[in-house]
Amino acid sequence: AQTVTQSQPEMSVQEAETVTLSCTYDTSESNYYLFWYKQPPSRQMILVIRQEAYKQQNATENRFSVNFQKAAKSFSLKISDSQLGDTAMYFCAFMKLRAGDNNDMRFGAGTRLTVKP
Amino acid sequence: DTAVSQTPKYLVTQMGNDKSIKCEQNLGHDTMYWYKQDSKKFLKIMFSYNNKELIINETVPNRFSPKSPDKAHLNLHINSLELGDSAVYFCASSIPWTGTKETQYFGPGTRLLVL
Repeated sequence: AQTVTQSQPEMSVQEAETVTLSCTYDTSESNYYLFWYKQPPSRQMILVIRQEAYKQQNATENRFSVNFQKAAKSFSLKISDSQLGDTAMYFCAFMKLRAGDNNDMRFGAGTRLTVKP
Repeated sequence: DTAVSQTPKYLVTQMGNDKSIKCEQNLGHDTMYWYKQDSKKFLKIMFSYNNKELIINETVPNRFSPKSPDKAHLNLHINSLELGDSAVYFCASSIPWTGTKETQYFGPGTRLLVL
């Protein structure tokens, strides 16, 4: 079974500064995706960034980037130039990929990020 | 256009009642899911449907039954509601992996409160 661990229940950062959210996972799969989802107070789940396990290059989406360490099974999210609108719960998620199989997503417990003005 | 929609957004009901939550996706995806988010914000998968076939049923009580009239819809029926069913329920959809990029797209959630 796959497990996802987010060890930081809450974090805060000053506006315009950089913050890093941690995520580790445990799996015996060799082919999988990792995700970071953002859940603002509206409760909608919004995809922030995605990383394919077979890619060595870290994914980047504007101010969001990841540090993917496959051997260490670590997948941290870095938010640069934090904005007030980044305040939300952030979930790390794992999804195995196996052709012909259904690929459910496993989530961590979440990290509540507050961006302070 | 909304990719994955759920109705209702809020549902307040008495214990023992039967209720349904509807989910529709206009992405043309083959697989749809239901997740439950408890009061501690922890997300757990409940069901998924692929081409009208139930793929996952993660130790969910049989009071919960997913129903998929077609590929674009996966509704969640809950019988004999209990206090512990109070949660936010998320619908999601995805394309099964065929070697191309895949992700799950989530609906806005339905907040269920059982009194």
